[in-house]
Amino acid sequence: GNSVTQMEGPVTLSEEAFLTINCTYTATGYPSLFWYVQYPGEGLQLLLKATKADDKGSNKGFEATYRKETTSFHLEKGSVQVSDSAVYFCAFSSGGSNYKLTFGKGTLLTVNP
Amino acid sequence: NAGVTQTPKFQVLKTGQSMTLQCAQDMNHEYMSWYRQDPGMGLRLIHYSVGAGITDQGEVPNGYNVSRSTTEDFPLRLLSAAPSQTSVYFCASTQTRGHNEQFFGPGTRLTVL
Repeated sequence: GNSVTQMEGPVTLSEEAFLTINCTYTATGYPSLFWYVQYPGEGLQLLLKATKADDKGSNKGFEATYRKETTSFHLEKGSVQVSDSAVYFCAFSSGGSNYKLTFGKGTLLTVNP
Repeated sequence: NAGVTQTPKFQVLKTGQSMTLQCAQDMNHEYMSWYRQDPGMGLRLIHYSVGAGITDQGEVPNGYNVSRSTTEDFPLRLLSAAPSQTSVYFCASTQTRGHNEQFFGPGTRLTVL
């Protein structure tokens, strides 16, 4: 069945370190891929998305590339900040059913000054 | 625009009590969804609606009812609360078919004693 596997956390980095959070998916058809971020005490916000193979989504210094051959959508940032501390969720929708997202379990990122 | 709003923010129930979690959106979105978030589980879809008068079950629908009498509102009802329903509940909405993001409400933290 459909599923998302993302890197287990928690992840603790120092400010200005490089971040990678791995995400792979199992889906039928051609899913749209998303990264959502949840700051403490808040709801989820879309961080970036990609809708077809080889697309690169980017926002706020974060990037992820839709790799259909490896069914992956890894999140990267070259230099993290304390304000990036949050939980990051990888997710996808398939078959045009964007009301039905399948989420990974989330990765808690803590960035220390 | 207020976006997606949810009430209440916090709620404590006793086993067997009933309650309704409210969700409203002012973006004229056709699709609305309810998710629950549990530690280490990510978000799981409870119920969703593709328009007024149309609802369907998601991944974990047992113990919950929904209705969609208007485009704006999508309440979630717990008829007889159980401790297993202790969770954080998020409502989300999105436009019709396509690659559009889901917009999430701030969540309701529910504890069932």
